[in-house]
Amino acid sequence: DQQVKQNSPSLSVQEGRISILNCDYTNSMFDYFLWYKKYPAEGPTFLISISSIKDKNEDGRFTVFLNKSAKHLSLHIVPSQPGDSAVYFCAASDPYNAGNMLTFGGGTRLMVKP
Amino acid sequence: NAGVTQTPKFRVLKTGQSMTLLCAQDMNHEYMYWYRQDPGMGLRLIHYSVGEGTTAKGEVPDGYNVSRLKKQNFLLGLESAAPSQTSVYFCASSSTGPRNYGYTFGSGTRLTVV
Repeated sequence: DQQVKQNSPSLSVQEGRISILNCDYTNSMFDYFLWYKKYPAEGPTFLISISSIKDKNEDGRFTVFLNKSAKHLSLHIVPSQPGDSAVYFCAASDPYNAGNMLTFGGGTRLMVKP
Repeated sequence: NAGVTQTPKFRVLKTGQSMTLLCAQDMNHEYMYWYRQDPGMGLRLIHYSVGEGTTAKGEVPDGYNVSRLKKQNFLLGLESAAPSQTSVYFCASSSTGPRNYGYTFGSGTRLTVV
C-alpha cells in the first residue's frame, strides 16, 4: 500500500494562474516532506521542502503547505509559467530510518499552457 | 561538476540476460540509492548504501543485487532479466547532513527487457 499518494496524475493550468499540486500520506512517522520536479529524459531535481514543525514554506513562486492533522501537503506555484511544465513528485521521510530514505508519491504531470 | 552519472542511458535486454548499471558520484556523498520509476508508481527504492562496503534492501529488491566497493560508485546488477524489470532506473546520492539537502539524482537508465 502506497504511503505517499498523489491522486491527480495530471493537471493543466493557464500561464499566469496558480497551480496547486496535492499529496496525501498515511505514515504518521513522516516528519519531513520534499517536492521534486522532473523534466523528460532528466533525473528529478529538488524543489522545496518542509519540516513538520512548520505549516508553510516559501521559495520564490513556490510555496508548500502542510496540514499534519489531515496528513496532506500541497505545492502552490504562482504565477505558473510554461517552463514549469514537468512531473512533480512529493516525497516523505521519517526520522528513524538510518539511510535517509525517501518515500515518493506517484507523481503529477503539470502542463502550463501559454 | 558532474554530480551523479549513470551509464548506460539506454539498454535493451533479452529475457534471462544479465547486466550491470553503473552509478558514479563526485560529491563525496556517503549515501547512495537505486530507484525504479514506473507509470503511476512513482519512484520505488530497490537498494541503498549508507557507506562504502555496505548495502541494504529497499522496497523492491527482488531480482537485483548491488555493490559499493568504492565510495563514489554504486552498481546495480540484474542476474537474469525479466520483462517486469522494464523500467527507468535512477541512482541518487545524499550527504549525511540535514534532511533538507535532499537527493541528487542521475539522469536515469531506460531499460527494456524483451
